Amino acid sequence: KQEVTQIPAALSVPEGENLVLNCSFTDSAIYNLQWFRQDPGKGLTSLLLIQSSQREQTSGRLNASLDKSSGRSTLYIAASQPGDSATYLCAVKASGTYKYIFGTGTRLKVLA
Amino acid sequence: GAGVSQSPSNKVTEKGKDVELRCDPISGHTALYWYRQSLGQGLEFLIYFQGNSAPDKSGLPSDRFSAERTGGSVSTLTIQRTQQEDSAVYLCASSQSGIHYNEQFFGPGTRLTVL
Repeated sequence: KQEVTQIPAALSVPEGENLVLNCSFTDSAIYNLQWFRQDPGKGLTSLLLIQSSQREQTSGRLNASLDKSSGRSTLYIAASQPGDSATYLCAVKASGTYKYIFGTGTRLKVLA
Repeated sequence: GAGVSQSPSNKVTEKGKDVELRCDPISGHTALYWYRQSLGQGLEFLIYFQGNSAPDKSGLPSDRFSAERTGGSVSTLTIQRTQQEDSAVYLCASSQSGIHYNEQFFGPGTRLTVL
């Protein structure tokens, strides 16, 4: 059974720091992995989607990597800003299913 | 509209009542998902629709939960005889097709409170 874990559960950093959020999954047989952000009381906003055949994806200050064999993905945020404060969720699409399995998220607070 | 919309945004109901939650996916998206997000927990898959195929209902927690999708577009999630443990945010997502590489786009959710 696929399980997704995100560490740390919460993180506070001063503005301007580069930071890394971690996502691990137990079954490497995945189709893709997607990173989302969720602002309080809102739905999820897609940040990056990495196919199983890819190693990384970049969008602006965000870079997501995927190491399928070790069951890990990282989301790198460069030069963090207060507007980056949100909960970040990763989700994997398991092989043989259309379901996404979500981690419980990392609550990020960037201090001005 | 450009995105996924859900209504109502908030619903407060009494235990034992039935509720209906609505999702309008992005036009042209054939795949539609319902999830539940309880306080302090991750997203829990409920049900998946793809085109005219039979839905994957494997995530529905009990037979009090049902969903339908009319005309391949709008979806309604119905919870009968609501219980307090049904209180959660119900999120809907759609994607362009059911093939495995497409992104999911989420609606803002419906916050359900059962008193």
